[in-house]
Amino acid sequence: ETGVTQTPRHLVMGMTNKKSLKCEQHLGHNAMYWYKQSAKKPLELMFVYNFKEQTENNSVPSRFSPECPNSSHLFLHLHTLQPEDSALYLCASSLYRTSGDQRSDNEQFFGPGTRLTVL
Amino acid sequence: GQNIDQPTEMTATEGAIVQINCTYQTSGFNGLFWYQQHAGEAPTFLSYNVLDGLEEKGRFSSFLSRSKGYSYLLLKELQMKDSASYLCAVRRGYSTLTFGKGTMLLVSP
Repeated sequence: ETGVTQTPRHLVMGMTNKKSLKCEQHLGHNAMYWYKQSAKKPLELMFVYNFKEQTENNSVPSRFSPECPNSSHLFLHLHTLQPEDSALYLCASSLYRTSGDQRSDNEQFFGPGTRLTVL
Repeated sequence: GQNIDQPTEMTATEGAIVQINCTYQTSGFNGLFWYQQHAGEAPTFLSYNVLDGLEEKGRFSSFLSRSKGYSYLLLKELQMKDSASYLCAVRRGYSTLTFGKGTMLLVSP
């Protein structure tokens, strides 16, 4: 257990469906992230939220819509997905500091992921 | 842009030592992380380097040379449970990580 939970763990949806992925962290962190992990490809950063504000959108298609209502919760709303969007979607959280302390590790803690299949 | 390279697969024997290399090209470098990921599970943090040199943590050590854009993860006294994917990730700025494709390590008896 890393202190980051994700639901559902598995999701199968059609291309016309709308669904949402949920992430919750119990670590007191103030930064949250969505990643996509496809077979044979590196973990791809999708979105970054610092203090509930989106600070990075890594050229993600608009059919993926993130929402961060508070520092502990992060959602990924899905609509009209394509089969190539099938992947493992991982949420992570960390402390976000701008102190410039180069010894600060600020490691990201990952949730178990949602295995998404788009038919 | 950023480029992170690590071998796709490695094999080793139980009790042995294995070194997994990672080379990177990036702007705004602010640290390098190693994560372990077992099949079907979340990545878990192993080590962090931001200054040149070796960081040791039990059976795991990580080395960084910023001038060469090079890091390695050293695993000693390998155990079967060490069979996993090992991810090298470079941080730019204060939070953003870029991951390599990962090295799948298979430990055999």
